[in-house]
Amino acid sequence: AQSVTQLGSHVSVSEGALVLLRCNYSSSVPPYLFWYVQYPNQGLQLLLKYTTGATLVKGINGFEAEFKKSETSFHLTKPSAHMSDAAEYFCAVSEPPPWAGNNRKLIWGLGTSLAVNP
Amino acid sequence: DAGVTQSPTHLIKTRGQQVTLRCSPKSGHDTVSWYQQALGQGPQFIFQYYEEEERQRGNFPDRFSGHQFPNYSSELNVNALLLGDSALYLCASSFGHRTYNSPLHFGNGTRLTVT
Repeated sequence: AQSVTQLGSHVSVSEGALVLLRCNYSSSVPPYLFWYVQYPNQGLQLLLKYTTGATLVKGINGFEAEFKKSETSFHLTKPSAHMSDAAEYFCAVSEPPPWAGNNRKLIWGLGTSLAVNP
Repeated sequence: DAGVTQSPTHLIKTRGQQVTLRCSPKSGHDTVSWYQQALGQGPQFIFQYYEEEERQRGNFPDRFSGHQFPNYSSELNVNALLLGDSALYLCASSFGHRTYNSPLHFGNGTRLTVT
């Protein structure tokens, strides 16, 4: 069965500092991996995704993530934090075809709350 | 171009009551998925609708049911509400339930409080 572990339920950084949010996954097949962001009282917005191909994936708002199969990780980074980055971040995994069949179900981590200090 | 819209935004119900939540998908999308997000937790998949049929279901009891209409909008119904049903209910739409590269677009959710 697939699972996602996000290390650190709360991360605090200073404005302008590096953001690193950790995500490790477990999957018996090559996974599809996603990072979503959730601002207060809003739904989730896709930041970036890895399906196949290049392992370094660039997303919106200056975020990027690298798929490392040997480490079963998909950590999210941003070189310089901005106050507007304060939000909840979720890592998710799904099975790609052909294993997934009709399944579009995502398995989610518990989330990491990012605080950005002035 | 409207995104995913959900109604109502907030709802307060009493234990044992029934509730209906509504979702209109993003224009051009034909697949709707519902998620439950308890406070401090990640979303949990409830079910997915495509072509007016339930295609996938998560580990939720039969008290949770849904429907998809010909215009692709969807409803989530919960019967015999329990205190533990209090959560943010998220609707996500996408195009084609077999299209794995089609990202999910989420609505802002309905906050359900059961007292």
